[in-house]
Amino acid sequence: AQSVTQLDSHVSVSEGTPVLLRCNYSSSYSPSLFWYVQHPNKGLQLLLKYTSAATLVKGINGFEAEFKKSETSFHLTKPSAHMSDAAEYFCVVSDRGYQKVTFGTGTKLQVIP
Amino acid sequence: EADIYQTPRYLVIGTGKKITLECSQTMGHDKMYWYQQDPGMELHLIHYSYGVNSTEKGDLSSESTVSRIRTEHFPLTLESARPSHTSQYLCASSELATSHRYEQYFGPGTRLTVT
Repeated sequence: AQSVTQLDSHVSVSEGTPVLLRCNYSSSYSPSLFWYVQHPNKGLQLLLKYTSAATLVKGINGFEAEFKKSETSFHLTKPSAHMSDAAEYFCVVSDRGYQKVTFGTGTKLQVIP
Repeated sequence: EADIYQTPRYLVIGTGKKITLECSQTMGHDKMYWYQQDPGMELHLIHYSYGVNSTEKGDLSSESTVSRIRTEHFPLTLESARPSHTSQYLCASSELATSHRYEQYFGPGTRLTVT
């Protein structure tokens, strides 16, 4: 069985300050992990993915995430928030065969000017 | 340009009508998916397909049906729409599981309202 928990449903940061969106997972095998972003009235866009290579993964728009197996975490970070980062972010876990995909409940990021 | 398309983007329809939500992708992906997303809630997988003539039910039970007659096309049909079907429906595609590039690519979604 696998599951993913996004620890915060809403995160609010000031423009120019760091962003931290938390994600914990559980899996009975070595999973693949993804972060997607969804802007209002848009589809989901892949930000980054971890598939057993480097544990620190860099994605688009300055985001990165670190896979920590001992903590079963895959938190998403960005050094400096931009207004355009305001969106909903989904953490996703899947098995390697991609037969089973589980989405987190999402974290809404608000960026305050 | 390789992409994934959904039509219509928005649909308001009366109870009892039959509707088909279209999804097409030009990336040559074998796997395709339908998700249902209620406002403020997580995505739930309702259907998926491994390729032509393959369709499977997802984690969330749905009264909708799907077909996969062509690789690029994965329409979803509701025979008799009800207000409980009001939701956003997202289509996605990915390469086969044997590929390392198996992240899903999503369409823009169809926001369905049944009155």
